[in-house]
Amino acid sequence: DTGVSQDPRHKITKRGQNVTFRCDPISEHNRLYWYRQTLGQGPEFLTYFQNEAQLEKSRLLSDRFSAERPKGSFSTLEIQRTEQGDSAMYLCASGRSSYEQYFGPGTRLTVT
Amino acid sequence: AQSVTQLGSHVSVSEGALVLLRCNYSSSVPPYLFWYVQYPNQGLQLLLKYTSAATLVKGINGFEAEFKKSETSFHLTKPSAHMSDAAEYFCAASSGNNDMRFGAGTRLTVKP
Repeated sequence: DTGVSQDPRHKITKRGQNVTFRCDPISEHNRLYWYRQTLGQGPEFLTYFQNEAQLEKSRLLSDRFSAERPKGSFSTLEIQRTEQGDSAMYLCASGRSSYEQYFGPGTRLTVT
Repeated sequence: AQSVTQLGSHVSVSEGALVLLRCNYSSSVPPYLFWYVQYPNQGLQLLLKYTSAATLVKGINGFEAEFKKSETSFHLTKPSAHMSDAAEYFCAASSGNNDMRFGAGTRLTVKP
């Protein structure tokens, strides 16, 4: 069990560019979650996958955001045409049940 | 839907003193409740969780929390603070339907 991993750990991008983040969950976990955390706040739910199916999306997930989990293993979160307001820590979590979530170290995005 | 309120965005204690971090939840049904700890530039680590079994839950690093339905509270305590406990602590609640909601967090400072 190597835990949840995320790549990259830090990303600096210019406004208007596209960025993609990757999350590798714990191998036997079928549930995968994405959260966004801004400074001084708790994580906010973005989206949830069970295996490869995206079952829930938050209103926070605008049209510029898309998430995939093509083979039910790793997941990617893409942000198109980034805005300064997208600067945040993006956290991934995985689990085997709805009340079990193990978090990765996060990807810190800075949009300049 | 769950909502979580953490009373006190900053708590400061002396090393060896009691730690008390407060959390209240708003829910029409008893939720699942969690405490997570976050160190700088890292993801969230689960300290403990309440899933409708014993109301007093023991977690890692000497922390425990008590579920009090009458007070809709799930306060986190530790009898004796250690310097390594300095971190951000998040309370979270879920109905079990992949709807975990986090409080805004409490930053714990431990003075020598």
